[in-house]
Amino acid sequence: NAGVTQTPKFRVLKTGQSMTLLCAQDMNHEYMYWYRQDPGMGLRLIHYSVGEGTTAKGEVPDGYNVSRLKKQNFLLGLESAAPSQTSVYFCASSPVGLAGDTGELFFGEGSRLTVL
Amino acid sequence: AQSVTQLGSHVSVSEGALVLLRCNYSSSVPPYLFWYVQYPNQGLQLLLKYTSAATLVKGINGFEAEFKKSETSFHLTKPSAHMSDAAEYFCAVSDRNTGGFKTIFGAGTRLFVKA
Repeated sequence: NAGVTQTPKFRVLKTGQSMTLLCAQDMNHEYMYWYRQDPGMGLRLIHYSVGEGTTAKGEVPDGYNVSRLKKQNFLLGLESAAPSQTSVYFCASSPVGLAGDTGELFFGEGSRLTVL
Repeated sequence: AQSVTQLGSHVSVSEGALVLLRCNYSSSVPPYLFWYVQYPNQGLQLLLKYTSAATLVKGINGFEAEFKKSETSFHLTKPSAHMSDAAEYFCAVSDRNTGGFKTIFGAGTRLFVKA
C-alpha cells in the first residue's frame, strides 16, 4: 500500500535556485497539507488544500507556492530558495465527509532539503 | 486560536519503567486530540486519538492517553517502557473550521529508553 508518497527524498540546492516537491496520495483523500519540521519547533503548516483546484495559506507560507491540479497530487514549490528553508518537509492527507472523520493525518516519509 | 504545549523536549526512562509524556492544549471549541509517533528518518504515524467518545483512549503498542477537560490536558502514558519505544512523540489538536481541518502540533518530546 503506497499511501502518501513524496519525491524527492533528498535534495541540495544553492541559494536562489528553484525546485518543486511532489506529493501523491492514493487514498482518495480530499484534504492535503504541506508541513515543515525544524528541531524544537514541531511541525508547522505551510499550505493546505481542501480539494482539487483550491489552496490556502498556513502558518508559514512565505517563500512557498503550491498547486493542486489533480486530487491525488499536491505540489510545493520554492521559487528562490534561501538557507532558512533548509528543513524536512512532510506532506500529509486526510479524509473528509466520512463517518467519524476527525482530521487524522496520513504522512509521507519526508523530503530533506538543504539550501547552501 | 488553538495551541499545544508539550512539557519537556526530552524524557529519559529505564526499560520497564512508566512512560509519561505531558500535553496541554488550548482550544475555543471542543477539540480533537492526537498523539503521533515519529521513528528516526520516518514520517509521523498515529498513535491514538480522542474524538469526544471515551475520555481514556487506548492506542497502539500499549500506549494510552486520558482527556481531562478541567485540566486541558491529554497526557500519554505506557506502564512499561520498551527499547523500541524510543522515538519522538507529538501531541496535536484539530477542530473543524471554515475551510476544513487544520492540525496544530506541539514541539515534540523525544523519548529515550535506557537498558
